[in-house]
Amino acid sequence: QQQVKQSPQSLIVQKGGISIINCAYENTAFDYFPWYQQFPGKGPALLIAIRPDVSEKKEGRFTISFNKSAKQFSLHIMDSQPGDSATYFCAASIETGGGNKLTFGTGTQLKVEL
Amino acid sequence: NAGVTQTPKFQVLKTGQSMTLQCAQDMNHNSMYWYRQDPGMGLRLIYYSASEGTTDKGEVPNGYNVSRLNKREFSLRLESAAPSQTSVYFCASRKGANTEAFFGQGTRLTVV
Repeated sequence: QQQVKQSPQSLIVQKGGISIINCAYENTAFDYFPWYQQFPGKGPALLIAIRPDVSEKKEGRFTISFNKSAKQFSLHIMDSQPGDSATYFCAASIETGGGNKLTFGTGTQLKVEL
Repeated sequence: NAGVTQTPKFQVLKTGQSMTLQCAQDMNHNSMYWYRQDPGMGLRLIYYSASEGTTDKGEVPNGYNVSRLNKREFSLRLESAAPSQTSVYFCASRKGANTEAFFGQGTRLTVV
């Protein structure tokens, strides 16, 4: 059972356009929501993260929008560039008896075309 | 700093063979994780560990065992490999809750 649902599975955007990736979760105990970027042959790397007490966070061209009541959050990439072509994962973190568990979505392959 | 180091980078096993994937981090992180990545399935959590001697199951623990040998090292063992365990395995670590997780470069495992 996927605790964090991500869509779309793949996305093609023209250079300069806006890329939008959506995630939804069920467990309201999640308390940290990061986005990771992965290039082929590499491990994922943190892109941007948000806590549930904030509705939006912006870092350069990357923005997370967070809707606590809807249990949804999204990544917006403004002025998308070919170098942004990668796989993007949303994730959610929760404190458990065994430690802090970090659960990922299924990923979105983004391709930015010239 | 090396960050998170995984060994080996590639491995081919025959069905039924056993092996251990090694992971070490030099960032003094408390939490460590093992994930597998399969096409269309994303990163699925196998096991995680909050500290030395403490481990807990993730989403897909069957067929795997782990050992948190000390604060630096977290190993993943396949006792009897199956073709369904063909995947790319990632180790990650982070200091604690609400902090950045750092990933290794991955181990590409093929079970034939």
